Amino acid sequence: DAGVIQSPRHEVTEMGQEVTLRCKPISGHDYLFWYRQTMMRGLELLIYFNNNVPIDDSGMPEDRFSAKMPNASFSTLKIQPSEPRDSAVYFCASSLTSYEQYFGPGTRLTVT
Amino acid sequence: GENVEQHPSTLSVQEGDSAVIKCTYSDSASNYFPWYKQELGKRPQLIIDIRSNVGEKKDQRIAVTLNKTAKHFSLHITETQPEDSAVYFCAGGASKIIFGSGTRLSIRP
Repeated sequence: DAGVIQSPRHEVTEMGQEVTLRCKPISGHDYLFWYRQTMMRGLELLIYFNNNVPIDDSGMPEDRFSAKMPNASFSTLKIQPSEPRDSAVYFCASSLTSYEQYFGPGTRLTVT
Repeated sequence: GENVEQHPSTLSVQEGDSAVIKCTYSDSASNYFPWYKQELGKRPQLIIDIRSNVGEKKDQRIAVTLNKTAKHFSLHITETQPEDSAVYFCAGGASKIIFGSGTRLSIRP
């Protein structure tokens, strides 16, 4: 298995632009998680899905952030409009149950 | 709300010595406690986990202990090696897990 796949690996964009991050979970995993990692705030859970349905989005910072999971093999995290404080590494993780999460390689986002 | 506290934030030990990282949690419903290792520029990787019905679990040089009454859990690494240098995160929860702030472990040669 290729593991969790994320794209792009690096994204540099200007403030105000829309950013879309993509994730393909491990095949057969029913749970998908989006995390954000920064030096200041550590590793934060943004949202997680079970069987493509959003279960908890209490970690989503504000309305500029949205996430979708149209099918079992694909999810997106969108930021519109982006701001410099959104600069971080965004990780996607998947798991068979809600335990034992396996992380993707992350997307390093820089907003200038 | 739910919270997981981790300490120390940095830890330096001599190669061959043991390292201990401690965490506390606030949510009594927490029943799953994983530990992740993150090397510089890499993804967090699950190294060991423990469920609330177990007090201790060991895997080679790594062991975890859980005290549900005190809401404490710890990671123990024995006979440390240079490749153990990384940031270690504890986490805890039930339906979702909350991560601690991380411990940067350095192994001195």
